[in-house]
Amino acid sequence: EIVLTQSPGTLSLSPGERATLSCRASQSVSAGYLAWYQQKPGQAPRLLLYGTSSRAAGIPDRFSGSGSGTDFTLTISRLEPEDFAVYFCQHYADSRTFGQGTKVEI
Amino acid sequence: EVQLLESGGGLVQPGGSLRLSCAASGFTFNSYAMSWVRQAPGRGLDWVSAITGDGGDTWHADSVRGHLTISRDNSKNTLYLQMGSLTAADTAIYYCVKGSSRSRPYYFDSWGQGTLVTVSS
Repeated sequence: EIVLTQSPGTLSLSPGERATLSCRASQSVSAGYLAWYQQKPGQAPRLLLYGTSSRAAGIPDRFSGSGSGTDFTLTISRLEPEDFAVYFCQHYADSRTFGQGTKVEI
Repeated sequence: EVQLLESGGGLVQPGGSLRLSCAASGFTFNSYAMSWVRQAPGRGLDWVSAITGDGGDTWHADSVRGHLTISRDNSKNTLYLQMGSLTAADTAIYYCVKGSSRSRPYYFDSWGQGTLVTVSS
């Protein structure tokens, strides 16, 4: 089973700054089947990106994804107040495991 | 608009049973795989179970195999999770989640609001 490790655990930034979140897999992720989800306090997660870099419907273009093999990145180009949340990566091919999450806080 | 409405959560004693339901609308239910994902208080996301669009194949995480069982009734557009022999480790919010396609690989493109299951005496 592929294990996903996200770093850092917490990212402390200010609105307008750039956020770079990492997701590292214990084995190569087949065909880039890597997704990112955002979860705000008290809410269900929502899909941000799939296939490593494709944005889900309604997701603004300040969110972008990149990577291949075992190393993947979620970038938020300029943080908006509503972007402060927890972000999870997920491998959705051979397994459905999630990373442990990165909290983006002010 | 996709809507997933979970019900059936609550307080249950250790060793007890519960059945969660998820009423789906806004999409052709039998065309998509469905899953349950849980989140213990203050913790991350933990995939629990999955089922194909036609209900012919199911998968369960090792941690729940044997005491949680996923099923679906496509005539009622409803997903279920039968829970038995519950322990404190099963305490979590349980999310009903829609897959992006009928079978693997699929990502989770819509989530319900979740139902809380608390296992305690």
